[in-house]
Amino acid sequence: GENVEQHPSTLSVQEGDSAVIKCTYSDSASNYFPWYKQELGKRPQLIIDIRSNVGEKKDQRIAVTLNKTAKHFSLHITETQPEDSAVYFCALLTDSSYKLIFGSGTRLLVRP
Amino acid sequence: SQTIHQWPATLVQPVGSPLSLECTVEGTSNPNLYWYRQAAGRGLQLLFYSVGIGQISSEVPQNLSASRPQDRQFILSSKKLLLSDSGFYLCAWSAGGRTEAFFGQGTRLTVV
Repeated sequence: GENVEQHPSTLSVQEGDSAVIKCTYSDSASNYFPWYKQELGKRPQLIIDIRSNVGEKKDQRIAVTLNKTAKHFSLHITETQPEDSAVYFCALLTDSSYKLIFGSGTRLLVRP
Repeated sequence: SQTIHQWPATLVQPVGSPLSLECTVEGTSNPNLYWYRQAAGRGLQLLFYSVGIGQISSEVPQNLSASRPQDRQFILSSKKLLLSDSGFYLCAWSAGGRTEAFFGQGTRLTVV
């Protein structure tokens, strides 16, 4: 069945540095890979997503890469800022089941 | 525009009492609906999802159940709460396929 593993569980970076979070999955039928950001006490919100027919997508300081052969996808945040501090979740979905499952989350801390 | 309502925001219930959390979506039809639970500092665990009225898929049997009596209404229930049911419960909807999921504000449940 579908499963997604996310690493690292915590990440601390200096302001201005880059942060990378990686997720691996097992179900080759997975075809939609969103990333969510959750600030303390709030609901998760989508920050970027990628579909299986694309290898990379970028939106300003945020980018996501997908390697379907190796079954992993990564979130890249460049020029990190203190307001980037939050918990980030990867997720995936397969068209056949509509089951949207999430990784275990990465707590990102950006030190001023 | 579409909106999702989830209530109550907080709930304190004694062990053995029943539970009913309600989630409604406005501004769309035939949404995919999801219930997640998030333990403190942990990831999002998929509990139930539904692709249509009366169609419920269960991921975590335990002592919880879900129902979808109307197209845009999703209810999470329990007949007898356990201490381990404490957590942050999130409802979410998506338009289906490879599209963004939107979360409700969440319900923080404390079982005492």
